[in-house]
Amino acid sequence: AQTVTQSQPEMSVQEAETVTLSCTYDTSESNYYLFWYKQPPSRQMILVIRQEAYKQQNATENRFSVNFQKAAKSFSLKISDSQLGDTAMYFCAFMKPGRGGADGLTFGKGTHLIIQP
Amino acid sequence: DTAVSQTPKYLVTQMGNDKSIKCEQNLGHDTMYWYKQDSKKFLKIMFSYNNKELIINETVPNRFSPKSPDKAHLNLHINSLELGDSAVYFCASSQVYLAGSTGELFFGEGSRLTVL
Repeated sequence: AQTVTQSQPEMSVQEAETVTLSCTYDTSESNYYLFWYKQPPSRQMILVIRQEAYKQQNATENRFSVNFQKAAKSFSLKISDSQLGDTAMYFCAFMKPGRGGADGLTFGKGTHLIIQP
Repeated sequence: DTAVSQTPKYLVTQMGNDKSIKCEQNLGHDTMYWYKQDSKKFLKIMFSYNNKELIINETVPNRFSPKSPDKAHLNLHINSLELGDSAVYFCASSQVYLAGSTGELFFGEGSRLTVL
């Protein structure tokens, strides 16, 4: 079974700063997907970024980027130029590829990120 | 058009009652899921269905019964509600059995269940 660990229950930074959220995982799979989801106070789960384990290049989506270290089983999320709207719970998640996707996502416990004005 | 929709968004009910939450997806996905988010925000999978077939049934009391009338719908029925069932329940869908699928889960807005 896979496990996902987010060691920072809460973080707080000033607007426009850069913040990094950490995530480690444990799996015996060689290929898999990793995700960061955001849950703002509205409760909606929103995909932030996705990484396929066989791709060495780190994924980037505008101000969001990841540092994927496969050997270390680490998948951190960097948010640049943070904005008030980035305030949310952030969940790191793991999924097996292909038919394994029917097992769904395994989530970490989340990091509550607060962006201060 | 809402991709994954759940109803109702809020339920408040007494212990011992039975309630249902409905979920529909219009994305043409082959797999649907129910997740429970507890008061500490932890998300845990309860069930997954692929093309109406139950794939995952995690350690969930048998008071919880999912039903999938077709691959676009996955409803959750809960019998004899208990205080500990209070949570937010999320429905999600994904295209799993297709080469090149992204693996992304699309979530509904969640249904907050409060048991008094």
